[in-house]
Order: sequence, then structure tokens, then C-alpha cells
Amino acid sequence: EIMLTQSPGTLSLSPGEGVTLSCRASQSVSSSFLSWSQQKPGQAPRLLIYGASIRAAGIPDRFSGSGSGTDFTLTISRLEPEDFAVYYCQQYVTSPPSWTFGQGTKVEIK
Amino acid sequence: EVELVESGGGLVKPGGSLRLSCVGSGFSFNSYSMNWVRQAPGKGLEWVSSISWSSVDFYYGDSVKGRFTISRDNAKNSLYLQMNSLRAEDTAMYYCARHYDEKYTFNVWGQGTMVTVSS
Repeated sequence: EIMLTQSPGTLSLSPGEGVTLSCRASQSVSSSFLSWSQQKPGQAPRLLIYGASIRAAGIPDRFSGSGSGTDFTLTISRLEPEDFAVYYCQQYVTSPPSWTFGQGTKVEIK
Repeated sequence: EVELVESGGGLVKPGGSLRLSCVGSGFSFNSYSMNWVRQAPGKGLEWVSSISWSSVDFYYGDSVKGRFTISRDNAKNSLYLQMNSLRAEDTAMYYCARHYDEKYTFNVWGQGTMVTVSS
């Protein structure tokens, strides 16, 4: 079973700052199968990035994803007040089909 | 507007059963694989189950295999999750999520329905 480990657990930052979140897989993952979602308190998750680096519809270009193999990152170039949330990486496993999530990184206001 | 609306959550005793429903609107429900994802209070996301558009293929996470059954009725634009032999650790918000074709992730989520398993 491939595990996803996100780091750090929590980040305390100010609006306007940039941030890079890490997602590390225990085995190599196809970039096609790696996505990132954002979840705000009391809300459902929202897809940000799929295919490791492709922004979903309507996602601002301050969000970017990169990585390959076992190391993937989500970068927010300049934090807006609405970006303070929990971010999850997610991977698809082909056989049998299943999905696993990282434990999440919380980005909180400093 | 594309929308998913879950219902059926509530308080149930350990060992009991519950059936969740999810109704889709604003898209061709019968063209998409659908999923259930849950989130225990204060915890992360856990994929529960998936069903293909035709109901031919379905899959379960290890923690629910043998206890939960996913199904759908395309004529009613509805997805279901029959949950039996419920345990305290099944307490969670249950979200239905639409598969994002060819992208190996989920791009539409419902608002969730809460299931609490407690005596």
C-alpha cells in the first residue's frame, strides 16, 4: 500500500506570503494520479490541482503543483485571506482501483 | 448548476444499519463513476467506495469491505451507500463525489451527511 505523507502538519503564515507544501509517497506514483484539494472548515473539499500540475477549472494561478516520482509540492505564491485552509494530496491506485489521501497540511493565519 | 446532495445520516447504535443517498443534478449522472469519501471528526479524508456509471464495477476500502454496499439508480440520478454492522469508528461526515473522467480524482463534491455511531 502506497502511503502519502504531507509536511509540515501546520503552517502559520501571513497574507501575502508564499508557501510550499510537501507530499511524499512511500513508492513512486504516476504524476497523472496525483491531485491536490483544499478544504475549509465546514465545507467539502475542492479540487485544486490534478495530474500533479494542472489547475482545475476556476483555480487562480497563484496555485501551482509540481513534482514526480515520490515527491510532489503545492505552491501558493501569495496567500490571500481565503487560502487559509487544510490542503490534501491524493493519489489513485490502479489495481484494484482505490484512492488514498495524505493526512493534510493546515495553513493558518499567523 | 452541477450539484450533489447527500441525505440519510443520523445517530445509530453500534451494530446497526443506515442507508445514505446522494442525488445529482445539473449533469448527466449516468455518465459518471461516483464515490463515497468520509471524514471522521477532526481527521483527514478516507475514500470509502466507488461505483462505475453502469454499476458493473464497484470497489471498497479495506475498512468497510463486507459491511458496506454501494449502488446507484441512474433513472433517479441517485447514489446509495448501505452501511451494515456499524462501528464507532464509522462515525464521520460522508461525502459523495463525482469522478473526474480520465483525471483520476474527484471534481464535484456534495456538502456531506453526518453519521454518528454511538450507544
